[in-house]
Parts: sequence; C-alpha cells; structure tokens
Amino acid sequence: KAGVTQTPRYLIKTRGQQVTLSCSPISGHRSVSWYQQTPGQGLQFLFEYFSETQRNKGNFPGRFSGRQFSNSRSEMNVSTLELGDSALYLCASSLSRGGDYTDTQYFGPGTRLTVL
Amino acid sequence: AQKITQTQPGMFVQEKEAVTLDCTYDTSDQSYGLFWYKQPSSGEMIFLIYQGSYDEQNATEGRYSLNFQKARKSANLVISASQLGDSAMYFCAMRGVTGGFKTIFGAGTRLFVKA
Repeated sequence: KAGVTQTPRYLIKTRGQQVTLSCSPISGHRSVSWYQQTPGQGLQFLFEYFSETQRNKGNFPGRFSGRQFSNSRSEMNVSTLELGDSALYLCASSLSRGGDYTDTQYFGPGTRLTVL
Repeated sequence: AQKITQTQPGMFVQEKEAVTLDCTYDTSDQSYGLFWYKQPSSGEMIFLIYQGSYDEQNATEGRYSLNFQKARKSANLVISASQLGDSAMYFCAMRGVTGGFKTIFGAGTRLFVKA
C-alpha cells in the first residue's frame, strides 16, 4: 500500500507570496493532519481535516488555511508569507474512526519551505 | 492540559547495545494512546510503536519496546541491539480526549549510535 505523499518536496518563496502544499493520504484513510516543524518551536499542530471538514485547529494565524477534497486529498495554503514561515511542513493521515485515542498517524516525507 | 516531556536532548549509544529514551506525560484523561516516532535526517516521521492506556502488557515491535509505567506517567522507549541506522530524532506523542484527540508531541531526543 502506498504511503502518504506530499508535493512539492522543496519550495523557495519570497516574503509576501503565497504557497499551496499538497498531501495525498494512504488509501482508505479519511483524516489528514498538518504540522509545522521548526528547530525553535518543534512540531506544532496546524489543523486536521476529516470528511472534507476541519475537525481541529491549532494556534496559527488565519494566513494558514487548508481544505480536504472528497478523495481525502488535502491542501494547505499559506498567504502573505513571512520569514518565520520557513519550516518543514508534515502531513499525516489516519483511518480515524472518530474520537479514537488509538488512531495512529502515518506521516509523509514533508515539504521543506524556505521563505527569502 | 496535556503535555509530553522528553528530558534528554541528545544521547549516545554504542552499536549493538541497548538504549532507553525517556518520556513522561501529563494528562487527566483515563483513555489515551502513546506513540513513538523516529525522524531520520531525511525528515520523514516513521511510526515505531503504540501503547494504549488500558494495555496491561508493554508493547513490543521487533527491537523496539515500550516501558509503560502508568502510575508514574512514563512511556520510555527501549531500543535493543542498536544499529547505526537508528541514529535519528525520536519523538514521544500522546492522543486523548482532552484537546479533541489532537496528537501532541514532545521536543524529541536525538540519538547517536557509535560504531
């Protein structure tokens, strides 16, 4: 079974631009979560989507948004990029039977975003 | 609030020896899951092992085992017979009702395996 895929793997943007990252979950997985990883802040939860609806949201400004399509693929968008948005963005998918603490997340390889 | 604490920023271990990576957690939930992930320098997070709060036996997956001490709220990862390829960052994580089943992660421990 194919794993979680993320595109692109690397991205260089300049301040003020916007960017869209894509994530394709493992087949059959209905939940997709996004994380930002930086050396200073570690792994921070951005949001989770389940059946095309945002189910959970972290403490990030409104410049960060996402969506999920009917095939469970997800995109996240960052508008008006800032230098501090440079990070590794990780996507994770899970089966998610709903309210399940045993739900294991499987991660993609990440997209490394550099903002100049 | 839920919290994961990994107190070892970095650790060294000799190849073929066993190593324990510490993880303590804080939660008021009765039902929760504990996870360990490995992150090599390539960046991908690799799921290693899972322990449920009601599991009476410690989880094992190949060379990985989880030393679960519920009363002490600790979930240490034990890697037996370390290999050079085990050099990576290791993250402890938790998932429970509080916070709407969001997975929260510790700061990680960087493991260096010496030949």
